[in-house]
Amino acid sequence: GAGVSQSPSNKVTEKGKDVELRCDPISGHTALYWYRQRLGQGLEFLIYFQGNSAPDKSGLPSDRFSAERTGESVSTLTIQRTQQEDSAVYLCASSHGTSGAPSYNEQFFGPGTRLTVL
Amino acid sequence: AQSVTQLDSQVPVFEEAPVELRCNYSSSVSVYLFWYVQYPNQGLQLLLKYLSGSTLVESINGFEAEFNKSQTSFHLRKPSVHISDTAEYFCAVSVPGGFKTIFGAGTRLFVKA
Repeated sequence: GAGVSQSPSNKVTEKGKDVELRCDPISGHTALYWYRQRLGQGLEFLIYFQGNSAPDKSGLPSDRFSAERTGESVSTLTIQRTQQEDSAVYLCASSHGTSGAPSYNEQFFGPGTRLTVL
Repeated sequence: AQSVTQLDSQVPVFEEAPVELRCNYSSSVSVYLFWYVQYPNQGLQLLLKYLSGSTLVESINGFEAEFNKSQTSFHLRKPSVHISDTAEYFCAVSVPGGFKTIFGAGTRLFVKA
């Protein structure tokens, strides 16, 4: 089926504005992840969702960041009162997330949303 | 907790030369290991993975990696690189039964003609 999709692909916003980033995971994938990749740096874990369990929010850098997921479908990452240091590529990934499948920890990534905060 | 260290941030190499990208991990339990590749202006994609069984794993484009438990390493190698291999390579580790994956900082491979 289709891969992970993210929208928008690019977002330019002014400092202090709120932004909402969207991720559509692969159908049937119960686990969904958000990462941040700053220019020239590695992936920084933000949050993950697994089915109906409470999300692991341990990577969110501040209370300006929040994410939601409805069931096992679309997820939105919201950044309130954006700051220039929020400028980065935000990557979403999904995986099977069910034990028993031999590759259930393999993640499939979307193309990312490039956020620029002026 | 797990951690991943990629020892080289950048590796320049000439076309057709061999290359090794180093990855070491830390974990008190058994792990799954992955290499992901990110080509310029593209998203990450899985290159190869070690889950269990043979410690030598291969990708379809000639890369291989060997899981070395005693040295806690999972180095990526290719005997002869191409210009098209220019990309950023990320080593990652996860724990069986868990869903959190820890990524290394990445190694930028730059293949020169």
